[in-house]
Amino acid sequence: DAGVTQSPTHLIKTRGQQVTLRCSPKSGHDTVSWYQQALGQGPQFIFQYYEEEERQRGNFPDRFSGHQFPNYSSELNVNALLLGDSALYLCASSLGFSSYNEQFFGPGTRLTVL
Amino acid sequence: SQQGEEDPQALSIQEGENATMNCSYKTSINNLQWYRQNSGRGLVHLILIRSNEREKHSGRLRVTLDTSKKSSSLLITASRAADTASYFCATDDGGETSGSRLTFGEGTQLTVNP
Repeated sequence: DAGVTQSPTHLIKTRGQQVTLRCSPKSGHDTVSWYQQALGQGPQFIFQYYEEEERQRGNFPDRFSGHQFPNYSSELNVNALLLGDSALYLCASSLGFSSYNEQFFGPGTRLTVL
Repeated sequence: SQQGEEDPQALSIQEGENATMNCSYKTSINNLQWYRQNSGRGLVHLILIRSNEREKHSGRLRVTLDTSKKSSSLLITASRAADTASYFCATDDGGETSGSRLTFGEGTQLTVNP
């Protein structure tokens, strides 16, 4: 049973560019959340997708957008990259739209913006 | 913004000793979760404790929750070198139909010396 997978593992971009990160949820899971973790800090909630809609959003600018596909996989897009966007981006999946359900995290994508 | 605050920020112990980490938070919660992270990789879920629970055990882990003091503690007994990692508490103030949205603290770096 595959857990949460993310691609790519590492990514290097320059300021102003755009990036797309991908996440496949754990088998059977239908809810995907994205988190940003800057070096030395705890993860911060970006947004959550359920039934192909953004259901909740954290305090992140509109440069951060996402999508969920019918197979429950998800993408995180970041436009007009800034140096401060350098971070580990974590995807988490869960079964059902409820805070009572455990979230399973993927290994993350390390984004470096030069 | 970070809701949880872990204490201490760093902890160094000898193998076989117990490790205690504390977490404080600010708002009312639905549940509190503890995660482990090895060297900036993905988060591993350790334990979830609901707001109406006071103590929970899982193997060598014991978690307590005091909602009146808005605090939680994680105890790892008989620590091993493999327990070396960063430990995060995360609070979830969502409900059954509002979706999970975790707010993480900045973590405790635990080092277990062989």
